[in-house]
Amino acid sequence: SAVISQKPSRDICQRGTSLTIQCQVDSQVTMMFWYRQQPGQSLTLIATANQGSEATYESGFVIDKFPISRPNLTFSTLTVSNMSPEDSSIYLCSVEATEGETQYFGPGTRLLVL
Amino acid sequence: AQSVAQPEDQVNVAEGNPLTVKCTYSVSGNPYLFWYVQYPNRGLQFLLKYITGDNLVKGSYGFEAEFNKSQTSFHLKKPSALVSDSALYFCAVRASLRRAGSYQLTFGKGTKLSVIP
Repeated sequence: SAVISQKPSRDICQRGTSLTIQCQVDSQVTMMFWYRQQPGQSLTLIATANQGSEATYESGFVIDKFPISRPNLTFSTLTVSNMSPEDSSIYLCSVEATEGETQYFGPGTRLLVL
Repeated sequence: AQSVAQPEDQVNVAEGNPLTVKCTYSVSGNPYLFWYVQYPNRGLQFLLKYITGDNLVKGSYGFEAEFNKSQTSFHLKKPSALVSDSALYFCAVRASLRRAGSYQLTFGKGTKLSVIP
């Protein structure tokens, strides 16, 4: 499976600011995804990060709030914009294995918004 | 819409005893089913999957899961629990055939497994 790293691993941010989370994979992958895990909750897909085109957002998530970049096949960023305490969550990136079935997850970014 | 139910928020089991973590699902068409484990302050680790074939699938760390199509279930099992198995377990499903542009992997709410020494 691919080795996935995320930066930062955790952060504490002030209301109204923005944070950009980076996801790096050690091999080229076609599909990359961003998930949110709110405290005590399950994972929810935010968007699919498409290389060379705009991300595909799931219902309830918009580009203005969660802009995503995917400049190449090994890297993606997720920005959480104009943060509020409700954005306090774990943000995880994942990649789809080459067989097109299994998703593997990064270690997550733990965000606390004050 | 696809969904996953993990009916138990917490499962307690004594070390050395067998464990079962329950999962039922709903999806259009044939399912792809997955189990992941999350240790404290860690990301999700893939344990095992059912795609097709044998209903009993084996995965990492001695875990296995049985796909039951008639009961739409995919329960996670281990013959002998270890204290180190204590973690949060997530079941996930997606349809084998994707709608155009949709790669939704739907997760259950998770079951906290505590193995008591």
